Amino acid sequence: GIQVEQSPPDLILQEGANSTLRCNFSDSVNNLQWFHQNPWGQLINLFYIPSGTKQNGRLSATTVATERYSLLYISSSQTTDSGVYFCAVVQTGANNLFFGTGTRLTVIP
Amino acid sequence: NAGVMQNPRHLVRRRGQEARLRCSPMKGHSHVYWYRQLPEEGLKFMVYLQKENIIDESGMPKERFSAEFPKEGPSILRIQQVVRGDSAAYFCASSPLSGTEAFFGQGTRLTVV
Repeated sequence: GIQVEQSPPDLILQEGANSTLRCNFSDSVNNLQWFHQNPWGQLINLFYIPSGTKQNGRLSATTVATERYSLLYISSSQTTDSGVYFCAVVQTGANNLFFGTGTRLTVIP
Repeated sequence: NAGVMQNPRHLVRRRGQEARLRCSPMKGHSHVYWYRQLPEEGLKFMVYLQKENIIDESGMPKERFSAEFPKEGPSILRIQQVVRGDSAAYFCASSPLSGTEAFFGQGTRLTVV
């Protein structure tokens, strides 16, 4: 099956800093989503981005499907950005999301 | 437009009891997916259903677990004779079409004592 690797596994930032999270996948995909799981366990949709670049406020994402990776940028981080960020993909020919292992982000004041 | 609704939010069961988890998809969504998340781990796919049909159950344990999505009413994930290892967060997601953007509910946290 498809492999989805996220890096770094853990990240600690000072409030106001910028960061880049990476997601590598091992096969072609039809769908790629980024999620934020907050400390209460809720999964929040950040981006649906099978290809290209999108921006939403302080967050942006880029997926280069031909090179099998996606990047999530967080600028001017805030303590509320803390949590786990998951990348999930739907492999071509499949029908369900396959999740990476996540990046745990801690933003300290 | 209400999101994906799961209930209960928290469920405590004794070993050997049955657990029933419910999921109502977003309005207009007919595709439902169930995932399980063990503590400190990612989400693992369990089963994919459309109305009245199980499309892919490759992630479901072979015994004690079953799922349905009837013509009327929510999708149900049923765990019979629960064991401590079933303790986890169970998430439901829905999408308008297969493999398109999925939206998740808040999850049901099952604790087996």
